[in-house]
Amino acid sequence: QSALTQPASVSGSPGQSITISCTGTSSDVGGYNYVSWYQQHPGKAPKLMIYEVSNRPSGVSNRFSGSKSGNTASLTISGLQAEDEADYYCSSYTSSSHVVFGGGTKLTVL
Amino acid sequence: EVQLLESGGGLVQPGGSLRLSCAASGFTFSSYAMSWVRQAPGKGLEWVSGISGSGGSTYYADSVKGRFTISRDNSKNTLYLQMNSLRAEDTAVYYCAKDLYQQQLFPYYFDYWGQGTLVTVSS
Repeated sequence: QSALTQPASVSGSPGQSITISCTGTSSDVGGYNYVSWYQQHPGKAPKLMIYEVSNRPSGVSNRFSGSKSGNTASLTISGLQAEDEADYYCSSYTSSSHVVFGGGTKLTVL
Repeated sequence: EVQLLESGGGLVQPGGSLRLSCAASGFTFSSYAMSWVRQAPGKGLEWVSGISGSGGSTYYADSVKGRFTISRDNSKNTLYLQMNSLRAEDTAVYYCAKDLYQQQLFPYYFDYWGQGTLVTVSS
């Protein structure tokens, strides 16, 4: 199972919006709505930010939103803040009854 | 408060074995599927294995199938990962993670994570 494809890095200024893409296949992202996004700060455990493509867990800011079109899922962060600087990973259930993660995207807040 | 506390990591020689444990508290452990997720130094996340709440269904990444065994003891609220035939590429921080939903056979989403335990495979 190959990792989902994410850009290695994205950047934005405070207050701006950014979008991180996550491309898979019809056997994972395109075939199921079991797509999620995780935020990881250095030295910390990941944190669930989005599940089921576009749902936010309790306590996650509404500045974070998710969507999906075909084999590509996206995470959008609006109103960028310094604390959003972190690594972001997408993940998806697969037809092999596995979970596959993306390679990760480093977000830099300029 | 949900807590997950991993233990059992350490330095092991290639070909060796190690058993990781994850002690859970703050939720009805037997109602939730659980997973192990690892992260090699400076690398991304990799799902390793998952298990249903009852322990009756188990799942493995291709990279560890046949070498690793996931299990759970619901009477002790503890998740395990038995790792055999370890290789250098198994070196990573291993996290246990709880599924978001109750009563799922498969762990789709991970809403709570432990702090991780480091496994180093080296001679």
